[in-house]
Amino acid sequence: AQSVSQHNHHVILSEAASLELGCNYSYGGTVNLFWYVQYPGQHLQLLLKYFSGDPLVKGIKGFEAEFIKSKFSFNLRKPSVQWSDTAEYFCAVNAVAAGNKLTFGGGTRVLVKP
Amino acid sequence: DTAVSQTPKYLVTQMGNDKSIKCEQNLGHDTMYWYKQDSKKFLKIMFSYNNKELIINETVPNRFSPKSPDKAHLNLHINSLELGDSAVYFCASSRDRGTEAFFGQGTRLTVV
Repeated sequence: AQSVSQHNHHVILSEAASLELGCNYSYGGTVNLFWYVQYPGQHLQLLLKYFSGDPLVKGIKGFEAEFIKSKFSFNLRKPSVQWSDTAEYFCAVNAVAAGNKLTFGGGTRVLVKP
Repeated sequence: DTAVSQTPKYLVTQMGNDKSIKCEQNLGHDTMYWYKQDSKKFLKIMFSYNNKELIINETVPNRFSPKSPDKAHLNLHINSLELGDSAVYFCASSRDRGTEAFFGQGTRLTVV
C-alpha cells in the first residue's frame, strides 16, 4: 500500500529561521509529488509540485523542495520564514502504478513566532 | 470566479439525518475527489471520479454515496449521519489523474 510519512507533527520556530519539513513515501515507480499548505481556516493550496526533470523545484512564497529518488524523499525548505507562514503543510504523492490516488501525509503544523 | 466551490460551508445536523454536500468545478477538469479531514487534520481520500465514472472508492461506509451528474459536479450524500462523521469534507478536482488537485473551501460538518 502506498503511504506518505511526514516526520514532524509540530514545528515551532522564530521569524527568519530556516525551515525544513521531511516527507518520505513508500511507493516505487513513477511518482508525482506535491506540497500543499493550509492556512488556518482555509482550504489547501498548492505550494509546489514535481513531475520530472530538475529534482530541485521552486514554488510560491519562497518555498522549494528537493526530490531524492534514492531516499524516496521530497523535503520542503524555506530559508527564512515569516509569521505568515504559520500553517499546516501537507506532502502528497500520486503513484502512477497505484491508480493515481493522491495520498497525503499526516501534515506538519508550523508555528512561526513573531 | 471560484474554481472549486462547495455548498454549504457549514452544516450542523442531528444524528440519523440525511444530508448532501454539493461540489462544482469550473476548471474543465476531468477528475474530481472527495476528501475527509478529521480533527487531527489528517486528510483521507474517500472517492474519485474521472469523467463521471467512479475510479476510487476507499473503505468508506456505504452510508456515503457520491453522485456525479456531469464531469463538473460531484455531490456527496450521507445517510443516517453519525457523530463520527463530524469532519471537514473537501472537494477537489484535477485536470486528469495524477496532476495537481485544486481544492474547494471545505464543508465543516458537525453531527450533534
